[in-house]
Amino acid sequence: GEDVEQSLFLSVREGDSSVINCTYTDSSSTYLYWYKQEPGAGLQLLTYIFSNMDMKQDQRLTVLLNKKDKHLSLRIADTQTGDSAIYFCAEKGAPGGSYIPTFGRGTSLIVHP
Amino acid sequence: ETGVTQTPRHLVMGMTNKKSLKCEQHLGHNAMYWYKQSAKKPLELMFVYSLEERVENNSVPSRFSPECPNSSHLFLHLHTLQPEDSALYLCASSQDLLGQGNYGYTFGSGTRLTVV
Repeated sequence: GEDVEQSLFLSVREGDSSVINCTYTDSSSTYLYWYKQEPGAGLQLLTYIFSNMDMKQDQRLTVLLNKKDKHLSLRIADTQTGDSAIYFCAEKGAPGGSYIPTFGRGTSLIVHP
Repeated sequence: ETGVTQTPRHLVMGMTNKKSLKCEQHLGHNAMYWYKQSAKKPLELMFVYSLEERVENNSVPSRFSPECPNSSHLFLHLHTLQPEDSALYLCASSQDLLGQGNYGYTFGSGTRLTVV
């Protein structure tokens, strides 16, 4: 199985909250990231969380980490059409281990009026 | 502008052609990467350079040849490619190999490659 798994699609109505989920397998993950890719563009780092944190909030974005279940989620409050993009979850192991993050396949978020 | 510039944005090449992709960053980063993004697949790491030295070659076919002449520039030389090599090729850079914390990776917009 893949090291980082995400569902491929999520469709929400404008103004609702979006929750994008991710599971990973590496129990030594120390950094977990969310990247956003808009059409025709590269990946943009949205936010990150250290493995010793449970939650991180940044304006409309809330990241929740359940380390026991190796589950990461990204909640976008008041989703707008401009939030339509592909969202990638990524994890990286401890220093001394793999320094290259592992990316999921990405979740396409579709926001409709 | 993301700080990492890739050229060209689009490239169509025949299977017998030779072409090069270029990546440039002036962020003062010491590590640079090539990724391949194909539809419905995870991002595939191809090459990693740190301080102009290649530190990882992720089982990439020899028809892809990277070059890092200095810490600001990274090239991907292409020759005798196959149609299945058609993809978006992304360049990224990071402060160092750890690429951690709020630096993470900075990605370019990619080169959309079509092999015919």
